[in-house]
Amino acid sequence: DGGITQSPKYLFRKEGQNVTLSCEQNLNHDAMYWYRQDPGQGLRLIYYSQIVNDFQKGDIAEGYSVSREKKESFPLTVTSAQKNPTAFYLCASSIVVNNQPQHFGDGTRLSIL
Amino acid sequence: QKEVEQNSGPLSVPEGAIASLNCTYSDRGSQSFFWYRQYSGKSPELIMFIYSNGDKEDGRFTAQLNKASQYVSLLIRDSQPSDSATYLCAGGAGTYKYIFGTGTRLKVLA
Repeated sequence: DGGITQSPKYLFRKEGQNVTLSCEQNLNHDAMYWYRQDPGQGLRLIYYSQIVNDFQKGDIAEGYSVSREKKESFPLTVTSAQKNPTAFYLCASSIVVNNQPQHFGDGTRLSIL
Repeated sequence: QKEVEQNSGPLSVPEGAIASLNCTYSDRGSQSFFWYRQYSGKSPELIMFIYSNGDKEDGRFTAQLNKASQYVSLLIRDSQPSDSATYLCAGGAGTYKYIFGTGTRLKVLA
């Protein structure tokens, strides 16, 4: 079955630590996205990538970094510079054609120890 | 600042009734709209998408779009307790980057 796999489901970060969230898709989608969701707030775009080896900052990119070395994979690193990392992180993908919907993975819940 | 606005709710409806969820958007260039259902603690799941003015029906769900009024809605007929969730509206302007609303929480009372 095609889909988007995020891991781990739960992640805990210590002070000063960088952590990496995994996102893999087998839908053959060119575009991939990372969102952050906080309680009572909508999805906020962190980074997105339209094609391999290219990515763009979203609305809240500070304290995060990404890479897109393979079409299937779009890992997100939450660096120690992100002072409020506790949130639900969602990875999504879509076909790179206008007006096509995004499909989401199951998410990673990140908390501070 | 492009925005998509939704009433946070909760919207409570009795089982079997029609639930009406509404969304307004600020960007007149928006061309595509998506409704996602999100259960508590889970990720969003695509329910409907609509591009043209008018109604689009899929089973118990009907999406309605009025571009002149910058308004999109989702009707759920014969509401079931399993429909209780947060419904997110998203809009896009001819690209694959979308703006999401904060969601409306729906409670279907048995």
